[in-house]
Amino acid sequence: AQSVAQPEDQVNVAEGNPLTVKCTYSVSGNPYLFWYVQYPNRGLQFLLKYITGDNLVKGSYGFEAEFNKSQTSFHLKKPSALVSDSALYFCAFNDYKLSFGAGTTVTVRA
Amino acid sequence: GAVVSQHPSRVICKSGTSVKIECRSLDFQATTMFWYRQFPKKSLMLMATSNEGSKATYEQGVEKDKFLINHASLTLSTLTVTSAHPEDSSFYICSARRGLANEQYFGPGTRLTVT
Repeated sequence: AQSVAQPEDQVNVAEGNPLTVKCTYSVSGNPYLFWYVQYPNRGLQFLLKYITGDNLVKGSYGFEAEFNKSQTSFHLKKPSALVSDSALYFCAFNDYKLSFGAGTTVTVRA
Repeated sequence: GAVVSQHPSRVICKSGTSVKIECRSLDFQATTMFWYRQFPKKSLMLMATSNEGSKATYEQGVEKDKFLINHASLTLSTLTVTSAHPEDSSFYICSARRGLANEQYFGPGTRLTVT
């Protein structure tokens, strides 16, 4: 079955340090991959997507993700994390409907 | 553009009653809308897919007679939780897809508490 996996339930970083949230995929063909962020008691906000083209995708709020076909990964990155980046992050793939990873809680400490 | 609203944002109802949640695409026509359920600190579980003017397609394990979905227009879909029970308490999120685009736009969610 096709899926995305987020191997880390939680990521903790200090403000100003690089932030990486991991995602691996098991999707046949050309995967349509997405990252979303969710703040407490809110819906999901779109961060970025990979459809085709450049492997490095730039998105909202300074986030970027690198599509790596050989490692079947699509990790989300931010060079310098902010306390306001603390939230729940979801990786997803789109095969007509979105299927989400389990989510990773990011905590950025001041 | 691409704003999706949900109403109400929070609702508390008594066990045995029904509650309706609305999902609207405010500035675009949504050919397809999706309903998700989310438990605390958990991922989103797709409940059903609705296309305007046709019956919703429910995911395996979702009771279609309990979770009634209507997509009466290109900007409105409703989810009615019938004969609600405390175990139906959850965060319900809708999303809307514009045309054949592969991106979905999410509503802010509705917190349902059944007492």
